[in-house]
Amino acid sequence: GESVGLHLPTLSVQEGDNSIINCAYSNSASDYFIWYKQESGKGPQFIIDIRSNMDKRQGQRVTVLLNKTVKHLSLQIAATQPGDSAVYFCAEIAGGFKTIFGAGTRLFVKA
Amino acid sequence: DGGITQSPKYLFRKEGQNVTLSCEQNLNHDAMYWYRQDPGQGLRLIYYSQIVNDFQKGDIAEGYSVSREKKESFPLTVTSAQKNPTAFYLCASSMGSPSNQPQHFGDGTRLSIL
Repeated sequence: GESVGLHLPTLSVQEGDNSIINCAYSNSASDYFIWYKQESGKGPQFIIDIRSNMDKRQGQRVTVLLNKTVKHLSLQIAATQPGDSAVYFCAEIAGGFKTIFGAGTRLFVKA
Repeated sequence: DGGITQSPKYLFRKEGQNVTLSCEQNLNHDAMYWYRQDPGQGLRLIYYSQIVNDFQKGDIAEGYSVSREKKESFPLTVTSAQKNPTAFYLCASSMGSPSNQPQHFGDGTRLSIL
């Protein structure tokens, strides 16, 4: 299989449960944040984004929470499904063309 | 369907050889990027281009070269000067600055050493 995602933190959840994936970002000047999903052998797919003037944003089955005080971002997935199994990583942008990407968390969904 | 196409999916390089990875997009995006992904690490920026005929070095440009002769295309050459080229290479694009909208990614090229 692909080697992307080895040695990453792992979260294992039961199908139907909610998942929470966390990310600590580094730059207090970052004002735009994105969560991506990456399946084995594929490129990252956009899930949801949030700007620094918001604390929470909801999508379909996903919610992103932003805590600027402690520089923390989380992704909540409701009713996790086997198709949600992937590596999830956050990205922070402080302006310009440079994006800082986290290493990611591997999510396993047990049927 | 609009998207980003990377080819080949797998590529093998012999010692001393230059290889070129292809990236084509039909999203009409101005900006394009090349990233390198290694196990257990976040994506690292190799080069980016804001507009045709212009490109800038990223954080790990040594041993790589790019060109941007057409809006749709942003090929990456991994030269023999890159001593540790084994990695998963991802191409991305965005309409403008990534501080305004997310980047869209291709499905990558995995480069290995023979």
